[in-house]
Amino acid sequence: SQTIHQWPATLVQPVGSPLSLECTVEGTSNPNLYWYRQAAGRGLQLLFYSIGIDQISSEVPQNLSASRPQDRQFILSSKKLLLSDSGFYLCAARIRGISYEQYFGPGTRLTVT
Amino acid sequence: AQSVTQPDIHITVSEGASLELRCNYSYGATPYLFWYVQSPGQGLQLLLKYFSGDTLVQGIKGFEAEFKRSQSSFNLRKPSVHWSDAAEYFCAVGGADYKLSFGAGTTVTVRA
Repeated sequence: SQTIHQWPATLVQPVGSPLSLECTVEGTSNPNLYWYRQAAGRGLQLLFYSIGIDQISSEVPQNLSASRPQDRQFILSSKKLLLSDSGFYLCAARIRGISYEQYFGPGTRLTVT
Repeated sequence: AQSVTQPDIHITVSEGASLELRCNYSYGATPYLFWYVQSPGQGLQLLLKYFSGDTLVQGIKGFEAEFKRSQSSFNLRKPSVHWSDAAEYFCAVGGADYKLSFGAGTTVTVRA
């Protein structure tokens, strides 16, 4: 079965600093990959999704970007963090050819100060 | 565009009592429906899913959900709640583009 890893688990960064969050997937090949942000008291907002290496779609115009340099690696980045970037970031994967559900990693708690 | 509404922000239930969480969706074609559970500070765990067939689906941890096309609903139920069921529950709808839209979530508190 697939396992989704995210790191770091927790991050505190000052406004204006860069960001790099990493997600890796084990146990499957060529998954669809997703980045979500979860703000306090809200549902999940889809930020980016990817159907393959270097194939990224952005759902919400914002201060963030995503890259997929390898099949099972998905990175969320920012050049300059804003206070509004604080939140809980979740990576998810869909196993191709099986079904529509997504499986989630443990998340990264980002606090921008 | 697809969307999900979870009308109840917070539900409190006694241990051993039944639980029902409401979910209404909007989608123009046949939806794919999901319920996820999230414990504080954790990722989301899939409880159950509906794609087609029997409208009553069984999931993990004793949960079930019923798809009602005429009401655009996919309500989650559990006959007898345990203290460990205290968590946040999310309903989600997906379609052929493999993207999911989530509701805002319902927080469940279980009292002894």
